[in-house]
Amino acid sequence: KAGVTQTPRYLIKTRGQQVTLSCSPISGHRSVSWYQQTPGQGLQFLFEYFSETQRNKGNFPGRFSGRQFSNSRSEMNVSTLELGDSALYLCASSRDTYYEQYFGPGTRLTVT
Amino acid sequence: AQKITQTQPGMFVQEKEAVTLDCTYDTSDQSYGLFWYKQPSSGEMIFLIYQGSYDEQNATEGRYSLNFQKARKSANLVISASQLGDSAMYFCAMRGGLIQGAQKLVFGQGTRLTINP
Repeated sequence: KAGVTQTPRYLIKTRGQQVTLSCSPISGHRSVSWYQQTPGQGLQFLFEYFSETQRNKGNFPGRFSGRQFSNSRSEMNVSTLELGDSALYLCASSRDTYYEQYFGPGTRLTVT
Repeated sequence: AQKITQTQPGMFVQEKEAVTLDCTYDTSDQSYGLFWYKQPSSGEMIFLIYQGSYDEQNATEGRYSLNFQKARKSANLVISASQLGDSAMYFCAMRGGLIQGAQKLVFGQGTRLTINP
């Protein structure tokens, strides 16, 4: 069974731009979560989608948004990029709550 | 609020030795889940093992076992017969903040494990 895939793997953007990251979950998984990983803050939860509905959101500004499509693929968008948004963005999928989450390889975003 | 504490920023172990990575947690929930993930330098988080709060036996997965002490709120990862490929960052995580069945992991700061030949 194919794992979680994320595209692109690397991205360089300029301050003020916006970016869209994509995540394809493991087949049959309906829950997709996003996390931000930085050296200073560690791993932080961004949001979780299940059946196209956002079920939970972390403490991030409204510039961070996401959505999920009917095939469970998910995208996250960051608008008006700031230098502090430079991070590894990890997507994870699971069948549902109470099941383990499987992570993708991440998208490394660099904002200059 | 849930909190995970990993007190060992780095550990160095000789190959083939067993290693214990510490994890303590704090939660007011009665039902919760504890996870360990491995993150090699490539960045991908690899799921290792899971322990539910109501599981009476410690979880085991191959060379990995979880030493779960509920009263002490600890969930230490034990790796038996360490291998060079075990060198990586290890994260302890808790499933918490459940709202309407939502899924959210709270992570510790991680322990960097280095296996020496």
